[in-house]
Amino acid sequence: EVQLLESGGGLVQPGGSLRLSCAAPGFTFSRSAMTWVRQAPGKGLEWVSSISGSGGTTFYADSVKGRFTISRDNSKNTLFLQMDSLTAEDTAVYYCAKGDIKTYGFDPWGQGTLVTVS
Amino acid sequence: DIQMTQSPSSLSASVGDRVTITCRASQGIRNDLGWYQQKPGKAPKRLMYAASSLQSGVPSRFSGSGSGTEFTLTISSLQPEDFATYYCLQHNTYPLTFGGGTKVELK
Repeated sequence: EVQLLESGGGLVQPGGSLRLSCAAPGFTFSRSAMTWVRQAPGKGLEWVSSISGSGGTTFYADSVKGRFTISRDNSKNTLFLQMDSLTAEDTAVYYCAKGDIKTYGFDPWGQGTLVTVS
Repeated sequence: DIQMTQSPSSLSASVGDRVTITCRASQGIRNDLGWYQQKPGKAPKRLMYAASSLQSGVPSRFSGSGSGTEFTLTISSLQPEDFATYYCLQHNTYPLTFGGGTKVELK
């Protein structure tokens, strides 16, 4: 069974940085595109970023472009999201998910990690 | 960017009711649409992809239809475990975009 486990969330001051991780055992990680999706408190879902299996291709939402960096370590089956220049608008639960546009969306999703910018 | 307009934003229904949720894309997306279910405090779960393909393990009371700009998710007979929020997602073009969500509540 594919399981995804996010970590790295927490409280950070505006202008600060945070690095999220997503451990992805249980499947051929290097062959799978991965994605980050976020959800602000009481709000809907927002796609943030996707990365190809090799890591060579990345996509970002305009709201995070230039501030967030998605990356992966295929030797450790781990996905990352480096978040810099954080603002209050980045406060959200961040989910990692397996898949991207070529896999018709995302399945499964991790349980999420909360990032609070205050 | 492709805008996804989902309706209604909420609805009240009873167990056994037939429920339909609609998603409209601002431009044609072929059949590149998925539906996700989210329960409070939990991660979303994919129900449908490519408009009408049922995710493995999802009950057959869920069905999807549509192509181009108009899509629907139908629950043929609402069950207690189906009370949740539902989102559509266009997986045609980056940036990927979700609808605003439909909260299905108990009448």
